[in-house]
Amino acid sequence: DARVTQTPRHKVTEMGQEVTMRCQPILGHNTVFWYRQTMMQGLELLAYFRNRAPLDDSGMPKDRFSAEMPDATLATLKIQPSEPRDSAVYFCASGFGSEEGVLQPQHFGDGTRLSIL
Amino acid sequence: LAKTTQPISMDSYEGQEVNITCSHNNIATNDYITWYQQFPSQGPRFIIQGYKTKVTNEVASLFIPADRKSSTLSLPRVSLSDTAVYYCLVGGTGRRALTFGSGTRLQVQP
Repeated sequence: DARVTQTPRHKVTEMGQEVTMRCQPILGHNTVFWYRQTMMQGLELLAYFRNRAPLDDSGMPKDRFSAEMPDATLATLKIQPSEPRDSAVYFCASGFGSEEGVLQPQHFGDGTRLSIL
Repeated sequence: LAKTTQPISMDSYEGQEVNITCSHNNIATNDYITWYQQFPSQGPRFIIQGYKTKVTNEVASLFIPADRKSSTLSLPRVSLSDTAVYYCLVGGTGRRALTFGSGTRLQVQP
């Protein structure tokens, strides 16, 4: 059963440190999403890519967050410098879609639980 | 993006049918309706997707009226393992990614 793989599953670090979260999308999927989940805000869409190109990153704080897809098998989300308010669970999801057709249901990883002290 | 409104929580008992209704008054012509389920410490999991009328799979049914301004997820004969948060999403075509609302927390009692 194909799965979206996220690493690390848990990360605890101090404020000001750089954090890198990685995601391996399902083979053949051409769209990758990054979401953040907190108790207060729920699931927020941070950014998404289609065919490795960023389509929308308006949900992401630009001054400290960056998202990239170095290749089709790896997506990264970086925070530099990290702040306590960045503490959340970060989910990656992948799917398949085109400009014309419906985006097929997203498959989610189990998330990276990030704690910034 | 189309905004969705769902009940915050629902309670049920094992073996009952559960219907969760979602309102999406400003749904666009090309928007699809998708439902996800999320357990604690896990990512959301796709349940069902539809555009109009009725869709059924092995897990649930999705009822969409002709005006598409609402949709109802129907879970037949729920069990304790169906206790989870259920999200209704609208969109998903072209560049318009799916955006999650606040979800409905379903609690199934023995």
